[in-house]
Amino acid sequence: GQNIDQPTEMTATEGAIVQINCTYQTSGFNGLFWYQQHAGEAPTFLSYNVLDGLEEKGRFSSFLSRSKGYSYLLLKELQMKDSASYLCAAMDSNYQLIWGAGTKLIIKP
Amino acid sequence: NAGVTQTPKFRILKIGQSMTLQCTQDMNHNYMYWYRQDPGMGLKLIYYSVGAGITDKGEVPNGYNVSRSTTEDFPLRLELAAPSQTSVYFCASSSRTSGTNTGELFFGEGSRLTVL
Repeated sequence: GQNIDQPTEMTATEGAIVQINCTYQTSGFNGLFWYQQHAGEAPTFLSYNVLDGLEEKGRFSSFLSRSKGYSYLLLKELQMKDSASYLCAAMDSNYQLIWGAGTKLIIKP
Repeated sequence: NAGVTQTPKFRILKIGQSMTLQCTQDMNHNYMYWYRQDPGMGLKLIYYSVGAGITDKGEVPNGYNVSRSTTEDFPLRLELAAPSQTSVYFCASSSRTSGTNTGELFFGEGSRLTVL
């Protein structure tokens, strides 16, 4: 079956670095996405990885290892506004997204 | 730039009632989707469309219907509402041309539906 696993909740301190992990199992693979979702709002796109390695975009970076079925989202210089849920989604061979349940990130001052 | 517009934002239904959630996008995207999101759960695909006149079932289609008569509009119909359909519904669109797999979804603000 197809499955995405990510931690349910994480806590970090303002100004620090946090890494949110995601493992996936899909029928075929056409890329790994990260979305941010603030409470009561719609998800918004953060990153897309289809090749192994690290993609950096400002304070956010995303890493992919296709051989391990593993990705992480790295958030640096955490700000209070980064408190949100982070959704990992893998695209299968039919170009359908399989979504994880999301990781709720709590930032403390 | 309106993007993806969903209406209504909130609705309370009685068991057995029917309603339509409206979704419109102005980005000329070919792909459109309907998801539901339950607390603590990932997004579940209800129906999707790859273009006007073409629709297909997703993971959880039972109790719902869709149509795609134009590129812009993708309404979701709930027939005979049940408490299990209490959820937050998101419409999304994406642009995917032949040979590209970006798949970035643009979401509407969501419709919060309660069935009592």
